[in-house]
Amino acid sequence: NAGVTQTPKFQVLKTGQSMTLQCAQDMNHNSMYWYRQDPGMGLRLIYYSASEGTTDKGEVPNGYNVSRLNKREFSLRLESAAPSQTSVYFCASNRDKTYEQYFGPGTRLTVT
Amino acid sequence: DAKTTQPNSMESNEEEPVHLPCNHSTISGTDYIHWYRQLPSQGPEYVIHGLTSNVNNRMASLAIAEDRKSSTLILHRATLRDAAVYYCILSRPSSSNTGKLIFGQGTTLQVKP
Repeated sequence: NAGVTQTPKFQVLKTGQSMTLQCAQDMNHNSMYWYRQDPGMGLRLIYYSASEGTTDKGEVPNGYNVSRLNKREFSLRLESAAPSQTSVYFCASNRDKTYEQYFGPGTRLTVT
Repeated sequence: DAKTTQPNSMESNEEEPVHLPCNHSTISGTDYIHWYRQLPSQGPEYVIHGLTSNVNNRMASLAIAEDRKSSTLILHRATLRDAAVYYCILSRPSSSNTGKLIFGQGTTLQVKP
């Protein structure tokens, strides 16, 4: 049981490049989330998915798109990366009717 | 969403109890109180949550004031591994049961040997 896995662990992009961050969970959870964490700050919710086939915006969705490919996988795409998107990105999941979220190890993204 | 207020930082000695406070004066009757912690260079991990009554689990205890306007996370015997940022979060159940959480700045706990 791997929990929540994220790939890649580290990534450096140039301004304007695109990339997709991958997230998968093997706990049969319905809800999945993408957060970003800037240095010295708390986490901010980018997008979430309450179930397969549904996605909703969080606090800071601009510049991102998401895709809930199936129940296990929830990807985050940056279409045209900007230096302001330099951050650590965390994926999380939880079951319905409970708020214990399980977090992945994070992806550290630098945009130059 | 109701807001929480936590001290920016706290210090503790190893093997002593730690009481981490959280104020949430605008809490509503259906808001749950959650605590997560984030160890250095890791994702957050769930610690405990409660609604009205005090709660205990293997990691910590949660003491909730009678008026629910404040709560305290209690680590009974701090270890060096407990050095982390501790987040107090309020969450209101929704019809979609998404469980989304809004993180604040948290309290950075330092544990001295």
